[in-house]
Amino acid sequence: KAGVTQTPRYLIKTRGQQVTLSCSPISGHRSVSWYQQTPGQGLQFLFEYFSETQRNKGNFPGRFSGRQFSNSRSEMNVSTLELGDSALYLCASSLAGPRGGEQFFGPGTRLTVL
Amino acid sequence: AQSVTQPDIHITVSEGASLELRCNYSYGATPYLFWYVQSPGQGLQLLLKYFSGDTLVQGIKGFEAEFKRSQSSFNLRKPSVHWSDAAEYFCAVAHNQAGTALIFGKGTTLSVSS
Repeated sequence: KAGVTQTPRYLIKTRGQQVTLSCSPISGHRSVSWYQQTPGQGLQFLFEYFSETQRNKGNFPGRFSGRQFSNSRSEMNVSTLELGDSALYLCASSLAGPRGGEQFFGPGTRLTVL
Repeated sequence: AQSVTQPDIHITVSEGASLELRCNYSYGATPYLFWYVQSPGQGLQLLLKYFSGDTLVQGIKGFEAEFKRSQSSFNLRKPSVHWSDAAEYFCAVAHNQAGTALIFGKGTTLSVSS
């Protein structure tokens, strides 16, 4: 079974631009969560989508948004990029049944904002 | 607010020695707790999880963790460390019953000396 894939793996943008990252979950997984990883703040939860609906949201500004498609693939968008948005963005998918389970993480997209 | 504290930023252990990584959580309800490992250039991999029941949980790669409600702790242990265990370890608590939307600790970097 293929794992979680994220594209692109690396991105370089400049301040003020916007960026879209993509995540393809494991087949059959309906939940996709996004996390930001930085040396200073560590791993922080951005948002979770389940069946095309945002189910949970972390404490990030509105510049960070996401969506999920009917095939469970998800995208996150960051508008008006700031230097502090430079980070590793991780996507995780899970079956997310009522008792929870394991989240499978992708390799991440490394975003550098210049 | 939910939070996870990993008091040790960096630990060095001799190969073959035992290991204990500390994790304390703050959560109002029954916690769903996880330990993940991240090796350089690798994605996050689940080591073990606690949802309910037996407070001593076994994971992959010979790791175990003990949930202690009275101490709000979920410490990770391994009886004999291998050089390949060198990595960064993250404790996390689920933000919801589905086990997604994780709140992570800042991580503990484990170095293994020969």
